[in-house]
Amino acid sequence: DAMVIQNPRYQVTQFGKPVTLSCSQTLNHNVMYWYQQKSSQAPKLLFHYYDKDFNNEADTPDNFQSRRPNTSFCFLDIRSPGLGDAAMYLCATSRGSVDEQYFGPGTRLTVT
Amino acid sequence: AQSVTQPDIHITVSEGASLELRCNYSYGATPYLFWYVQSPGQGLQLLLKYFSGDTLVQGIKGFEAEFKRSQSSFNLRKPSVHWSDAAEYFCAVGSTDKLIFGTGTRLQVFP
Repeated sequence: DAMVIQNPRYQVTQFGKPVTLSCSQTLNHNVMYWYQQKSSQAPKLLFHYYDKDFNNEADTPDNFQSRRPNTSFCFLDIRSPGLGDAAMYLCATSRGSVDEQYFGPGTRLTVT
Repeated sequence: AQSVTQPDIHITVSEGASLELRCNYSYGATPYLFWYVQSPGQGLQLLLKYFSGDTLVQGIKGFEAEFKRSQSSFNLRKPSVHWSDAAEYFCAVGSTDKLIFGTGTRLQVFP
């Protein structure tokens, strides 16, 4: 039944130690999104893929990278996590660019 | 620039009472509008959406929303709130290739 899957649900990493978050989908959607959400705030879009086309938000730090090796999978890489990167990271998918988005359950990242 | 405003940061209602969460948007063209709900520690779930047509939209869990172009509003309503409705609610407008979210309204329900 799960449509957008995120692994792991909880991730602890050390300051400066690279970390990768994973997202997969069974919906065969064209678009995949990565959001950062801090406590009591709205989700903040980091970047998205329309098929293989990568679209970075202007204010997304260079520390954040993404890969989409195929339609089903998308990864978020944080090259050197800082304490300020501790947050919930949400993956979402949609059929097209203005369609409704389907969200995964999120990965809670803690930086020690 | 496109934007979404949710004026109420926190709302508290009694179980069984009616609910209205406010959302105002700023968008040049005909907007695509959405309401999402987020329970603590979870992802966002779509409650309902408006693309065109009937301005009163029915959603899941007994929610509805009304699109009022003259007021640039898309308020969410429910006639009788259940304790399980306690969550964070986000209004969003669809832009060219992304969603623009409001800051959210936290709903607390008292028994």
